[in-house]
Amino acid sequence: QITLKESGPTLLKPTQTLTLTCTFSGFSLSTDGMAVGWIRQPPGKALQWLALIYWDGDKRFSPSLRSRLTITKDTSKNQVVLAMTNMDSTDTGTYYCAHAKWNQNEFDYWGPGTLVTVSS
Amino acid sequence: QSALTQPASVSGSPGQSITISCTGTSSDIGSYDLVSWYQQHPGKAPKLIIYGDSNKRPSGVSNRFSGSKSGNTASLTISGLQAEDEADYYCCSYADSTTLFGGGTKLTVL
Repeated sequence: QITLKESGPTLLKPTQTLTLTCTFSGFSLSTDGMAVGWIRQPPGKALQWLALIYWDGDKRFSPSLRSRLTITKDTSKNQVVLAMTNMDSTDTGTYYCAHAKWNQNEFDYWGPGTLVTVSS
Repeated sequence: QSALTQPASVSGSPGQSITISCTGTSSDIGSYDLVSWYQQHPGKAPKLIIYGDSNKRPSGVSNRFSGSKSGNTASLTISGLQAEDEADYYCCSYADSTTLFGGGTKLTVL
């Protein structure tokens, strides 16, 4: 059974860096084909894909946010960390991590999400 | 790359069928058989309901949900509408090393 859960700060000030951790179970990111992605959703708005990291360390980023994003994995802890620099109010929203597979584009298991608010 | 285009809202009565369209370009939907659809109830995480080149359903998802694709447009059809189908629906497509979501469609069951 695959489960994921996001953790991190709930409130940030503008210009600060957001660091979110996705802790998962039921699969290993050292297994061929596995991947973990991050998706966010501003309040009342649509989903937006942010980044993805594969079992082999390969990474993909949203072109519009590439310069602000870092994604890393700690296979021994079953964790993926997303960092986003220079946060502002438009980055307020719920951040989800989700399980995916190489060569497929669907996110079949999702964490419950964590709400991040950026406010001075 | 722009988000995929979905109608903001659709509605239907119980028992009816509805179709939600998702329009992309030749760089995303038109080039890859990697479209997925998600259902999201208020306050909940999205749930995968359709995926893959053959428009597959994950285990446990009702066969009332089906997907199709023609050219640059993907479609989700829900047949035999039920009250619990009222939710937001999002399409998603692979697009040359990135992933795009649609703007979402709110389904109201009248």
